[in-house]
Amino acid sequence: DAGITQSPRHKVTETGTPVTLRCHQTENHRYMYWYRQDPGHGLRLIHYSYGVKDTDKGEVSDGYSVSRSKTEDFLLTLESATSSQTSVYFCAIGQRGPDSGNTIYFGEGSWLTVV
Amino acid sequence: AQSVTQLDSQVPVFEEAPVELRCNYSSSVSVYLFWYVQYPNQGLQLLLKYLSGSTLVKGINGFEAEFNKSKTSFHLRKPSVHISDTAEYFCAVSGINNQGGKLIFGQGTELSVKP
Repeated sequence: DAGITQSPRHKVTETGTPVTLRCHQTENHRYMYWYRQDPGHGLRLIHYSYGVKDTDKGEVSDGYSVSRSKTEDFLLTLESATSSQTSVYFCAIGQRGPDSGNTIYFGEGSWLTVV
Repeated sequence: AQSVTQLDSQVPVFEEAPVELRCNYSSSVSVYLFWYVQYPNQGLQLLLKYLSGSTLVKGINGFEAEFNKSKTSFHLRKPSVHISDTAEYFCAVSGINNQGGKLIFGQGTELSVKP
């Protein structure tokens, strides 16, 4: 158990509305990530954070923003949800070092449906 | 930059038979390699990882993988599968010095174990 909690776990929202997904970790990890999972695409990185207020874009960042005001919380916001953002969203934490490499541990996922 | 190709999208196999899930990667720098397993409606669980040293890596649930640098492969094997191994398996790569410790994932292989 990597101590990661995602909320909400399931959400249905309407096109054009803003949506925020929350990721909370209990183990003080510096690195946090948001991935989305879609059939045939595996997992794709949306944004990541390497410290409080330090974030950067991943490969599919358009339409998403993130914030990290505290070590333990990493928020993902869909500014104006579209049907193409219907997906499963996974938060993850990263451990780096000689014994860990760049090992990532995942939360349980948030299922988002945009109608 | 790195990329990952999982050569089989679906692998059906009978219970107690051996299985190999194939993964090739591309990278201009040294890498860390990972296999994750995802059971239905769950997050991803780390099966095993290659950081350095012995090219044969053993993981949980009786799985092992072999790193072949010359063939840029990291194939996952199990000598005898169980029904409970039915899941989706993801291969992932990370450049050793990449900023943020990001993982790049393959598209996944669905392992279906039949009685």
